[in-house]
Amino acid sequence: QSALTQPPSASGSPGQSVTISCTGTSSDVGGYNYVSWYQQYPGKVPKLMIYEVSKRPSGVPDRFSGSKSGNTASLTVSGLQADDEADYYCSSYGGSRNLVFGGGTKLTVL
Amino acid sequence: EVQLVESGGGLVQPGGSLTLSCAASGFSVGANSMYMTWVRQAPGRGLEWVSLIYTGGDTTYAASVKGRFTISRDNSKNTLVLQMNSLTTEDSAVYFCAKGGPGYWYFDLWGRGTLVTVSS
Repeated sequence: QSALTQPPSASGSPGQSVTISCTGTSSDVGGYNYVSWYQQYPGKVPKLMIYEVSKRPSGVPDRFSGSKSGNTASLTVSGLQADDEADYYCSSYGGSRNLVFGGGTKLTVL
Repeated sequence: EVQLVESGGGLVQPGGSLTLSCAASGFSVGANSMYMTWVRQAPGRGLEWVSLIYTGGDTTYAASVKGRFTISRDNSKNTLVLQMNSLTTEDSAVYFCAKGGPGYWYFDLWGRGTLVTVSS
């Protein structure tokens, strides 16, 4: 199972919106609505931001939204704030009782 | 307080074994519809899924660890366990345990991780 493809970096200015993509195949992202996104600050624990493509856990700001089209999932962060600067990882059920993560995207707030 | 605390990491030689534990509090690792997982992160690298155990005790593994790692849980101690054998330098990483969400294949509570270093 290959890792999902994410851009290594993304950036935006405070108040802007930024979208991070997560590309897989029809065997993972495209085949199931089990895409999740995690935020991780350096040296810290991953935090669930989005699950099942577009659902937000309690406590996650509605500035964070998720979507999927075909084999590509996306995380959009609107109204960028300084503390959004972190690494973001997508994951997807990959069939055959496997989970696959993306390589991660470092989001920089300019 | 709902939390997960990993332990058991350390320095081990290639070919050696190590057992990681993840103590849960505030919920039961053996509860109905509960599933738990191990995810690892090599220094400076991304997240890599390792293994998962379902509520009924069924288990699944990433190809990279299948046959070498064994996931289990001790309901009496409310603990998740990862037995790691035949370790290689590629297994060096911080190992996180995580709790599955009410739905499928996502994890809403993570431990702080325990560092495993495989080196001679």
